Amino acid sequence: EAEVAQSPRYKITEKSQAVAFWCDPISGHATLYWYRQILGQGPELLVQFQDESVVDDSQLPKDRFSAERLKGVDSTLKIQPAELGDSAMYLCASSLPSGNGYTFGSGTRLTVV
Amino acid sequence: ELKVEQNPLFLSMQEGKNYTIYCNYSTTSDRLYWYRQDPGKSLESLFVLLSNGAVKQEGRLMASLDTKARLSTLHITAAVHDLSATYFCAVGYHTGNQFYFGTGTSLTVIP
Repeated sequence: EAEVAQSPRYKITEKSQAVAFWCDPISGHATLYWYRQILGQGPELLVQFQDESVVDDSQLPKDRFSAERLKGVDSTLKIQPAELGDSAMYLCASSLPSGNGYTFGSGTRLTVV
Repeated sequence: ELKVEQNPLFLSMQEGKNYTIYCNYSTTSDRLYWYRQDPGKSLESLFVLLSNGAVKQEGRLMASLDTKARLSTLHITAAVHDLSATYFCAVGYHTGNQFYFGTGTSLTVIP
């Protein structure tokens, strides 16, 4: 069964350091989403791509977060500098342009110390 | 502003009992998902509901959708401990492929 691949699974970083997460969507899924899920809350959309273009990044803290999907396939989410409040699960999801096949990856658990 | 509300937020139930989780949303949608999440894990897709009156069942879980009332329910029948998890509904919009999550319902099934 096709999966959304994410790495790393876990990341511990010190405050003010840079950190990056990687996501490889299901083949053929043009739409890619990055979500942040704080413990005890539902996922919150950070950025949505359609191919290599950003469709929605209205909730992305752009002073420290950046996301790219240069070739319209895999994607990287970066935080620089990391803050204690960034500790969360970062989830990647992908779907077909119609929205069908919406699937989540296993997530990256970030702890900022 | 789009809102997706689930209730209850916390649910503790005994094994063998039945219960229903509710998901209300504020604007017209063309699809609704239910997910299960175990502690520290990602989201596992349970159901996708695409039309008014849609009903899907898998084991002890049954989901339904009433688009006119903007309401979906997740019904648990004869609960077992293995169903303990957090359950999320997510409301989708074809335009822009947007998905908005509810607050989640933390379910604990007590032996």
